[in-house]
Amino acid sequence: KQEVTQIPAALSVPEGENLVLNCSFTDSAIYNLQWFRQDPGKGLTSLLLIQSSQREQTSGRLNASLDKSSGRSTLYIAASQPGDSATYLCAVSGGSYIPTFGRGTSLIVHP
Amino acid sequence: DAGVIQSPRHEVTEMGQEVTLRCKPISGHDYLFWYRQTMMRGLELLIYFNNNVPIDDSGMPEDRFSAKMPNASFSTLKIQPSEPRDSAVYFCASSLSQGVVETQYFGPGTRLLVL
Repeated sequence: KQEVTQIPAALSVPEGENLVLNCSFTDSAIYNLQWFRQDPGKGLTSLLLIQSSQREQTSGRLNASLDKSSGRSTLYIAASQPGDSATYLCAVSGGSYIPTFGRGTSLIVHP
Repeated sequence: DAGVIQSPRHEVTEMGQEVTLRCKPISGHDYLFWYRQTMMRGLELLIYFNNNVPIDDSGMPEDRFSAKMPNASFSTLKIQPSEPRDSAVYFCASSLSQGVVETQYFGPGTRLLVL
């Protein structure tokens, strides 16, 4: 059974810092990995999707990498802003297409 | 497109009552997912449909939960009878798969409180 772990569970940083959020998974036979953002009281918004054949994806200040062999992904946030404050979730999909979500990293960026 | 639409946004009910949550997926999407999110267990997949057919309901906690998708634009998740431990946020998501796994689009969720 796939297990997804996200470290750290919570993070508080001053504005302007570069951040790295970590996601690890136990079964490397995946189809894709997604990073989502969830604002308080809201649904999830997809940030980046990495197919199993890819190593990384970039969108603006966000960069996600994937290392299937080691079962790891990182989400890099450059020059963090208060508006980046949210919970970030990692989800891994395997052959059954059932995504497994991590518990998320709660990020606070203070001015 | 308006995105995934869920109703109601909030529901407060008493133990033993029937609860029906509704979802309208994004037009053209062929996958629909129901999730439950709690502080204790995080985000759990309950059931998902492909082309209106339930594919995997192994995440449905017990027989009190049922889900239907009578057509491509509507799905329901019903809890009967409801219990306090069912209190959670229930999300519906949809996606389009064209041979490769595509991203999921989530609705805003229904916040359920069972007293």
